Formats: sequence, C-alpha cells, structure tokens
Amino acid sequence: DAKTTQPNSMESNEEEPVHLPCNHSTISGTDYIHWYRQLPSQGPEYVIHGLTSNVNNRMASLAIAEDRKSSTLILHRATLRDAAVYYCILRDPDRGSTLGRLYFGRGTQLTVWP
Amino acid sequence: GAVVSQHPSWVICKSGTSVKIECRSLDFQATTMFWYRQFPKQSLMLMATSNEGSKATYEQGVEKDKFLINHASLTLSTLTVTSAHPEDSSFYICSASSSSPPDNNEQFFGPGTRLTVL
Repeated sequence: DAKTTQPNSMESNEEEPVHLPCNHSTISGTDYIHWYRQLPSQGPEYVIHGLTSNVNNRMASLAIAEDRKSSTLILHRATLRDAAVYYCILRDPDRGSTLGRLYFGRGTQLTVWP
Repeated sequence: GAVVSQHPSWVICKSGTSVKIECRSLDFQATTMFWYRQFPKQSLMLMATSNEGSKATYEQGVEKDKFLINHASLTLSTLTVTSAHPEDSSFYICSASSSSPPDNNEQFFGPGTRLTVL
C-alpha cells in the first residue's frame, strides 16, 4: 500500500490558518487522497478527499501538488474544536485486493491554543 | 454524511468471557463494514473487512477464531471477542461503506466501543 508521511505534531493559535502537510511520493494514478480526523475517544471523522484538483468544503480545503506527490490540508481558521489527530490516507476504491480499505498511519496531532 | 452507531459505547468484562459489539448503519445500506482496533496513543489498526452475507476477510496477524465477525444484513455487523483477556482491552471502531452513489465506497465511522477486560 502506498504510504504517507506526516509530521507528528503541529500547533496553531485559535482563528489562525493551519496548513497540515502530507507527503505521498509513491502515490499511484488511481489513488485518492483522503483526510480524516479523530478527536479524543471518538471514531474518525471524514474531512475531505481529492484526486488531482484542489477541493474545498465547509470544513477545509485540500491543495494537491501538480505531481500529486504531496498535499496540504488547510483549515482556514482554527478553532479549539479542531484539535485532533489528522490522518492523510491514500485509497483506491476500486483496487481489487484492498477494495477501498483504509490503512491509518500515525497522523499529525494538532494542538490549538486559545 | 451517513450515520453509523455502535453498541455498547463501553463495556467491562471478566477475563475468559465473550463480548459482542454491534455496528449499525442507520440511514444507508452498508455493503461493506470494517473493524478497527486502537490501543492508547496508537493509530487505528484494520482488523477485518466484511461484506454482507459472506465471510469476513481478516488482516494478517488477526485471529479469526478470536474475533468473530458476522455481517448478516446490510445495516448490521457484529464483532464478538471470544474468551477475552486483558490484552484485548482496546478501543474498537467500525466503519461502513456503500457501493452506491453518491457515497461510492466512502467509509463512515462509528463512535467506537471501549472494551476493558479485568
């Protein structure tokens, strides 16, 4: 499975933008880039996903490098509720052997200071 | 997004007993359900994948006789931890996905079940 590399931790102040990087140099052409986050003692929550183009939704934006070997999750204005572990995961929904399974790495622990 | 529930949210049991955890998709039909385990300060580890009406596919190193998975309907999957021991104490999380648009295999996660084996 294609692997991703993320910083172990990042910090931000409340109401400031946060850029969470992810490297995925071995990404294949059919891999989607997914971001999930997990608050303490909860199940993961879907944040955003994309294939080639940048994506925006109500939670965040996803900027994907032109060569697709890296991506950045952007939280435009961090709040205390955004403090969580953020996971960047590559997923091919149609790959027969994995059928869209998600393999979580260590993720980035985001701390937001008031 | 779609809603997935788990029951119970936490359970304490004695060593040697079996514990059943339910995972339900509340507003969609889940063709595939996944079970994960998460130890403190660690990431989620995929345990198995189950498709409705067929046997579960277990990840390498996961004992299928220890962790029994049943996916009898499109809205319910159960994980039974048989003869639980303290080392089985963990946070168990399920997710569900549908092969139908617009979800297209997106996974929706349950809130997790905290298992403590005494």
